Amino acid sequence: AQSVTQPDIHITVSEGASLELRCNYSYGATPYLFWYVQSPGQGLQLLLKYFSGDTLVQGIKGFEAEFKRSQSSFNLRKPSVHWSDAAEYFCAVGAGNTGTASKLTFGTGTRLQVTL
Amino acid sequence: NAGVTQTPKFQVLKTGQSMTLQCAQDMNHEYMSWYRQDPGMGLRLIHYSVGAGITDQGEVPNGYNVSRSTTEDFPLRLLSAAPSQTSVYFCASSRKLLGLNYGYTFGSGTRLTVV
Repeated sequence: AQSVTQPDIHITVSEGASLELRCNYSYGATPYLFWYVQSPGQGLQLLLKYFSGDTLVQGIKGFEAEFKRSQSSFNLRKPSVHWSDAAEYFCAVGAGNTGTASKLTFGTGTRLQVTL
Repeated sequence: NAGVTQTPKFQVLKTGQSMTLQCAQDMNHEYMSWYRQDPGMGLRLIHYSVGAGITDQGEVPNGYNVSRSTTEDFPLRLLSAAPSQTSVYFCASSRKLLGLNYGYTFGSGTRLTVV
């Protein structure tokens, strides 16, 4: 079964500093990976996804993520954080076979706090 | 284009009551799912559907039923509410691309309290 680990429950960064949120996945075949962001009281918004090809993917709001198969990781990065980036971030993995392709498994999330 | 619409946004139930959480999408998406979100536990899959007439259980299906008679609608039924079902419920839908989930669009959620 697929699983996702986000080892950091809470991260605080200063505005303008760089950010990296960690995500490790477990899946026996080719994973399909996603990052979502959730602002307080809101639903989740898709930031970016990786299906195949270039292992560095660009997303919305200036975010990027790098897929590293050897490390089973899909870390999210941003060069310069803005106060509006404060939110909770979820990594998710999707199955690579059509039988269960509709299922996404989410990590427990990382809450990002941005100090001014 | 409304996306994924969930109703109601808030609900308080008494233990043992039943109710249906509504979910509708207007994007002609094949895949739909229900998740519950609890503090420190991320999102856990309750039920999912790969198309009209086809549903299956997720990680935490007990106490919930679903049906998918149309592509657009995917209601979640609580059969006999329990305090353990107090949670925020999210409905999501996605395109099917080459048989794979292309990435969910989420509704804004239903906050349910069972007393």
